[in-house]
Amino acid sequence: EDKVVQSPLSLVVHEGDTVTLNCSYEVTNFRSLLWYKQEKKAPTFLFMLTSSGIEKKSGRLSSILDKKELFSILNITATQTGDSAVYLCAVTPLNYGGSQGNLIFGKGTKLSVKP
Amino acid sequence: SAVISQKPSRDICQRGTSLTIQCQVDSQVTMMFWYRQQPGQSLTLIATANQGSEATYESGFVIDKFPISRPNLTFSTLTVSNMSPEDSSIYLCSVSLGLTETQYFGPGTRLLVL
Repeated sequence: EDKVVQSPLSLVVHEGDTVTLNCSYEVTNFRSLLWYKQEKKAPTFLFMLTSSGIEKKSGRLSSILDKKELFSILNITATQTGDSAVYLCAVTPLNYGGSQGNLIFGKGTKLSVKP
Repeated sequence: SAVISQKPSRDICQRGTSLTIQCQVDSQVTMMFWYRQQPGQSLTLIATANQGSEATYESGFVIDKFPISRPNLTFSTLTVSNMSPEDSSIYLCSVSLGLTETQYFGPGTRLLVL
């Protein structure tokens, strides 16, 4: 069965800390891995990763994929209180359920950044 | 990306009733999806809304309980029928643009069934 496992489930840090969030997956015919930030209700797209070893970066956030070991990490440097959110990892398998683009989500990591 | 709106943003309903959630996109999109997020859980795909044909439902979800319409390329509705407290969730629509698998989510509808 396809699955996505995120760790830790929750994390509390102080402003300025650096955090690393983990996502491991088991999926048939892997196509891509996506990271989302969820504040309140709507997940906001962060990154899509398809190739191993190529870092995606946006400001203080960066992510990398290891297709051999089947995991990805999301790094946040110099954390701010505005980074407090649930970070979701999702995987897209090829032709999952016969529908293109279906996402399999992990349970997320709840990050709390204290001032 | 796309600008996506959902209505209502939240609602409190009595068991046995039905609620229809609307999803509107500011541009024509290929794929539209409906997800459910139960309290403390991650997102689970309910169905893919197909324009001009019946929706494709995931295992565990049926059309009688979650009828979906998609009359055009910018609009879809999800109805939660004969609601029970177990249907209390956040319901999210998402879209993907072109052939990319990146999905963009609407603001969600928070439903509480009493």
